[in-house]
Amino acid sequence: QKEVEQNSGPLSVPEGAIASLNCTYSDRGSQSFFWYRQYSGKSPELIMFIYSNGDKEDGRFTAQLNKASQYVSLLIRDSQPSDSATYLCAVNPGYSSASKIIFGSGTRLSIRP
Amino acid sequence: DAGVIQSPRHEVTEMGQEVTLRCKPISGHDYLFWYRQTMMRGLELLIYFNNNVPIDDSGMPEDRFSAKMPNASFSTLKIQPSEPRDSAVYFCASSLGGASLEPNYNEQFFGPGTRLTVL
Repeated sequence: QKEVEQNSGPLSVPEGAIASLNCTYSDRGSQSFFWYRQYSGKSPELIMFIYSNGDKEDGRFTAQLNKASQYVSLLIRDSQPSDSATYLCAVNPGYSSASKIIFGSGTRLSIRP
Repeated sequence: DAGVIQSPRHEVTEMGQEVTLRCKPISGHDYLFWYRQTMMRGLELLIYFNNNVPIDDSGMPEDRFSAKMPNASFSTLKIQPSEPRDSAVYFCASSLGGASLEPNYNEQFFGPGTRLTVL
């Protein structure tokens, strides 16, 4: 089992709709969780992080964390064509390698006009 | 700050040649990470350093790969000899890091990457 799993997509969403991206992780001791966005040919950039159960909102983005289910998600409201990218879920294991984060393989999101 | 700087941006070489990739982390960041990204395997952590000391090199594929960090502002990833299967985008990233598990300390800032093609 991979440590961080994501559906590779592509996920196609109409412009203006809500895009929902999901991620599961295997290590119950994981402490913090990150969503990175990567445009084609570019490097990953951080969108949001979350470390408490529940929802965290930042503009059109909402991260959701459920540690009991080992599940983290990213919702993008009012999707725009500029949101088309690959979204990488990343997890900090929380053990001695405190600064290491483990990336999922990413979900490719396409917003159709 | 200019962000994480990597060079070269593109490298094309022939099988068997030595390849050296370079990285300058963000000033003040104590952690430096080397990643490799391919379509098949996604983003893989190769090695990371804390205060110039290698902490975990379990992701280094084999002895052909080596990494050094002689000082806080410079790191290299060397492949010798290179093989076609090493073709990938190699990213360097840095973070404040530390014993704190605060997410903002562990946010990693990525460089633009080096696209390596081994013929």
